[in-house]
Amino acid sequence: KNEVEQSPQNLTAQEGEFITINCSYSVGISALHWLQQHPGGGIVSLFMLSSGKKKHGRLIATINIQEKHSSLHITASHPRDSAVYICAVPKTSGSRLTFGEGTQLTVNP
Amino acid sequence: EPEVTQTPSHQVTQMGQEVILRCVPISNHLYFYWYRQILGQKVEFLVSFYNNEISEKSEIFDDQFSVERPDGSNFTLKIRSTKLEDSAMYFCASSVQREVSEQFFGPGTRLTVL
Repeated sequence: KNEVEQSPQNLTAQEGEFITINCSYSVGISALHWLQQHPGGGIVSLFMLSSGKKKHGRLIATINIQEKHSSLHITASHPRDSAVYICAVPKTSGSRLTFGEGTQLTVNP
Repeated sequence: EPEVTQTPSHQVTQMGQEVILRCVPISNHLYFYWYRQILGQKVEFLVSFYNNEISEKSEIFDDQFSVERPDGSNFTLKIRSTKLEDSAMYFCASSVQREVSEQFFGPGTRLTVL
C-alpha cells in the first residue's frame, strides 16, 4: 500500500466547476504539502498545512489529522488550472517528502 | 521573488559518462534536497543536505551519486557513471528549516542517457 494515495487519478472539468482532489496518507506527519506540476514539468508549492484550512485565491486546502486526509479544492476552475496536483508528506523522522502519484486535472473552456 | 535555479535545463549524455547537475538554492535557506521523477512516474526523494553533509538519503542514492556544496551558493548532484535508468527529471529544492517547512523547487533538469 502506498503511503500517500490520491484520488482521482484523472479529472476533467468544465470551466467554472468546483474541483476537489483528495489525499490520504498512512504515516504520522507534521505537515502536508500540496504541489502543482505544470505541463513543462516545473513544480510549484501551493500549500503546506498542519491543521485546519488554508486559502489562497481560488484554492483551498483542508486537512484532518485524525483521519489522515486532506483535500484540495479549486473554485471557479479555469483552463489555466490544468496541471498535475501532487500531495506530499514528510517522513516522521525528517523532512524527506513522500509523494502521491498526482492528479491530472484538465479544465476545458 | 527569490527562486531556486537549476542548470542545465536539459542534459544529454552517453551511458557511462559522468554528469553534474547544478542548483542554486534560495540564499537564506539551509536545507537542500534532490528529487527525481522518471517519466510517467511519481517524484522520488534522493537526498537531503544540511551543514555541508548528507542528512538523509534514499535507497536510490547509491555510490554512483554524490552531492556537494562547493561554494556558498551552488549545490550539485554528480552521477559518476550514468545508466539508461538514470534518465529522469531531477529537481532541486530548498527550505529554511527541516521540520514543518515549505520546500521551494527549481525548474528541474531533464537528464537523458543514451
